[in-house]
Amino acid sequence: GQQLNQSPQSMFIQEGEDVSMNCTSSSIFNTWLWYKQEPGEGPVLLIALYKAGELTSNGRLTAQFGITRKDSFLNISASIPSDVGIYFCAGPLRRSSNYKLTFGKGTLLTVNP
Amino acid sequence: SQTIHQWPATLVQPVGSPLSLECTVEGTSNPNLYWYRQAAGRGLQLLFYSVGIGQISSEVPQNLSASRPQDRQFILSSKKLLLSDSGFYLCAWSKGTIFDEQFFGPGTRLTVL
Repeated sequence: GQQLNQSPQSMFIQEGEDVSMNCTSSSIFNTWLWYKQEPGEGPVLLIALYKAGELTSNGRLTAQFGITRKDSFLNISASIPSDVGIYFCAGPLRRSSNYKLTFGKGTLLTVNP
Repeated sequence: SQTIHQWPATLVQPVGSPLSLECTVEGTSNPNLYWYRQAAGRGLQLLFYSVGIGQISSEVPQNLSASRPQDRQFILSSKKLLLSDSGFYLCAWSKGTIFDEQFFGPGTRLTVL
């Protein structure tokens, strides 16, 4: 069946370092979404991508919609302690007879001050 | 602007007791509504979604049920809780199709003892 894979599962970095995480799909996507979830809270939408090749920034965050439409990456530059959380990618995967927004398993980011 | 509320924020219930979690959305009409469960702070499992009043789709067989008595109200219920029902329950809403951007509530932490 169609799959959505997110990597890495976790990252431990020093404050000030840059971070990169990515998601790949077994099928073509029309949308890639990136969310951040802080401990004990609901996920918050960071960036939405709708077009192959699209590169979008939100402050220190940059995300790109891969040209093949089967992948996306999220970069965080000059990380700070408040970047800690779980980052999820999401996209429409075909489930049974319908498309559903499907989330990756998340990348747990830890930033050491 | 739109806001989404969930209550209670935390709940501790004995095995075999009933459950009712409530979610309400403000600032939009006819939203798609979703219930997710998140175990161990990682993956999001879609439990139910609704595209309109009284319309509920179940994604996985389980001990839970959902209802949508009003346009912007979504309720998650159980007649008898199991230990395995413990987790972080998230409500979300979206406009348009059910694989568009979703916006999450703050979540309810349920512990079944």
